[in-house]
Amino acid sequence: GQQVQQSPASLVLQEGENAELQCNFSTSLNSMQWFYQRPGGSLVSLFYNPSGTKHSGRLTSTTVIKERRSSLHISSSQTTDSGTYLCASNYNVLYFGSGTKLTVEP
Amino acid sequence: GGIITQTPKFLIGQEGQKLTLKCQQNFNHDTMYWYRQDSGKGLRLIYYSITENDLQKGDLSEGYDASREKKSSFSLTVTSAQKNEMAVFLCASSMQISNERLFFGHGTKLSVL
Repeated sequence: GQQVQQSPASLVLQEGENAELQCNFSTSLNSMQWFYQRPGGSLVSLFYNPSGTKHSGRLTSTTVIKERRSSLHISSSQTTDSGTYLCASNYNVLYFGSGTKLTVEP
Repeated sequence: GGIITQTPKFLIGQEGQKLTLKCQQNFNHDTMYWYRQDSGKGLRLIYYSITENDLQKGDLSEGYDASREKKSSFSLTVTSAQKNEMAVFLCASSMQISNERLFFGHGTKLSVL
């Protein structure tokens, strides 16, 4: 199946700093998704099937399908952004990376 | 909107026990999935179903059975719980199998004594 590599594995920021999360895929893919998971919580879709650059509030997703990579940029981080960010590639079914655990300190 | 309901939220079992997890969705989605999440790791696909009575194995299907008797429900059975096993099982659904947004339930946390 598809291998999905996420980096960094963990990240600690001070409130107000920006974050850049990376996702790389081992093989070609149809599309991909970014999810957010609060500790002990469910997964919430952040970006679905993004190609090129898409924005949602302080979040920006940049995906280059033919290069098999995607990044998630979080600007002006807040303590409520803390949690795990997961990317997943759609190759018939979704294959997930191990996630980036983000901690934003006040 | 819709919702995915997983029961139970917490499940404590004994080694060797057969345990069943249930999932219901009211999105009227065709495809449903079971994923397993271990601490600090990503999600791994156990089983999925593209329609009622259909079952497809994921990468982690060994040790599990699944059942999709109705479009709205998808159950997962741990055939023999492993001692000290601890994981979260997440159910999800999507309209169709490919290129569709996934919606997740809140998970069932399994602990085996």
